[in-house]
Amino acid sequence: ETGVTQTPRHLVMGMTNKKSLKCEQHLGHNAMYWYKQSAKKPLELMFVYSLEERVENNSVPSRFSPECPNSSHLFLHLHTLQPEDSALYLCASSPAGSYEQYFGPGTRLTVT
Amino acid sequence: QKEVEQDPGPLSVPEGAIVSLNCTYSNSAFQYFMWYRQYSRKGPELLMYTYSSGNKEDGRFTAQVDKSSKYISLFIRDSQPSDSATYLCAMTGTYKYIFGTGTRLKVLA
Repeated sequence: ETGVTQTPRHLVMGMTNKKSLKCEQHLGHNAMYWYKQSAKKPLELMFVYSLEERVENNSVPSRFSPECPNSSHLFLHLHTLQPEDSALYLCASSPAGSYEQYFGPGTRLTVT
Repeated sequence: QKEVEQDPGPLSVPEGAIVSLNCTYSNSAFQYFMWYRQYSRKGPELLMYTYSSGNKEDGRFTAQVDKSSKYISLFIRDSQPSDSATYLCAMTGTYKYIFGTGTRLKVLA
């Protein structure tokens, strides 16, 4: 595997479910990001981890919980989501402090 | 006022045309300016980046920044059907990384 991978690619979940999104980067970067992409809206930065420490949390509801166990892996734990949380969730990585971000293919999430 | 404004399109052009994609912004603290390309069902990929004002050329692509007008552009020469995608501008100053909504481009063969 090369680049940034995300699993699953598609996820349908009910509002009472708990699920997790996984991201893995094979680029040797030490910063990782979660973004939400909704139709006709700009990419929304959700969380930033640099050197495995969370450095940014953009007022994201607590039903989204990130975890970064090491510099190669990033998780987004989901629970009691709302239908408006349906979107494409993108993971990205970069060398710490760099403006060049490398994105994964995303997880298309549908909340029913 | 949004920090970054980008016309969502869609923009349809014939093959071989010169394409101009633009963004305006309001925060003068932005210093790095990027263009990403996103194909359907894929994540964005970094196409070009520039620092401060001026032009940067890479093959058929030219990125232009005018900090005095808070305006950035991406020009695509000799456009190809394979250029059909959504183009997102992005800019950053320290940790704040802001994207435009993206412009959907379709190049017709």
